[in-house]
Amino acid sequence: KNQVEQSPQSLIILEGKNCTLQCNYTVSPFSNLRWYKQDTGRGPVSLTIMTFSENTKSNGRYTATLDADTKQSSLHITASQLSDSASYICVVSGGGSQGNLIFGKGTKLSVKP
Amino acid sequence: DVKVTQSSRYLVKRTGEKVFLECVQDMDHENMFWYRQDPGLGLRLIYFSYDVKMKEKGDIPEGYSVSREKKERFSLILESASTNQTSMYLCASSLRTGSSYNSPLHFGNGTRLTVT
Repeated sequence: KNQVEQSPQSLIILEGKNCTLQCNYTVSPFSNLRWYKQDTGRGPVSLTIMTFSENTKSNGRYTATLDADTKQSSLHITASQLSDSASYICVVSGGGSQGNLIFGKGTKLSVKP
Repeated sequence: DVKVTQSSRYLVKRTGEKVFLECVQDMDHENMFWYRQDPGLGLRLIYFSYDVKMKEKGDIPEGYSVSREKKERFSLILESASTNQTSMYLCASSLRTGSSYNSPLHFGNGTRLTVT
């Protein structure tokens, strides 16, 4: 069964610290992996999209990595800010159509001053 | 910037009512989607459309229908609302690209529907 598992479910860190969120998937075939940020009360916003051949991709203080062999991805946030408080959702595309996206349940990150 | 606009942020309806949720995007995207988001379940696809008048069922289409008469507008219809349809509804759009399907989804800010 195609699944996307994220860990941890929730995380609290102090402002200025780094953190890493994990995403493991069992989706096959694999087309690409996406990370989205969802602020409370808003829709998700795309952070990165990585295809099979990409190991790492950055978007400002956000760096995503992908290991297609072990089917694992991580999202690293550097020098966290209060505005990073949000849910982070990992999404894997199984190809075929844009309707074939498998969503993780998200990691809720709280950054405290 | 792509803008996806959902007509209502909050909606309260009664059981059995017919409910229309409207979504408009301004970037000429071919694909449009309706998801629902529930705590602990993540986002689940209800319906999507890859062209005007075209629609495909997602994972949980029961109790819902959709309409796409114009490229920029995608409507979700709850034929007879029930309490288990209380949820956050998110509309999204994307470009229809080639075989790599790398186009990101652009989401609206959601409609929180309560059915009493």
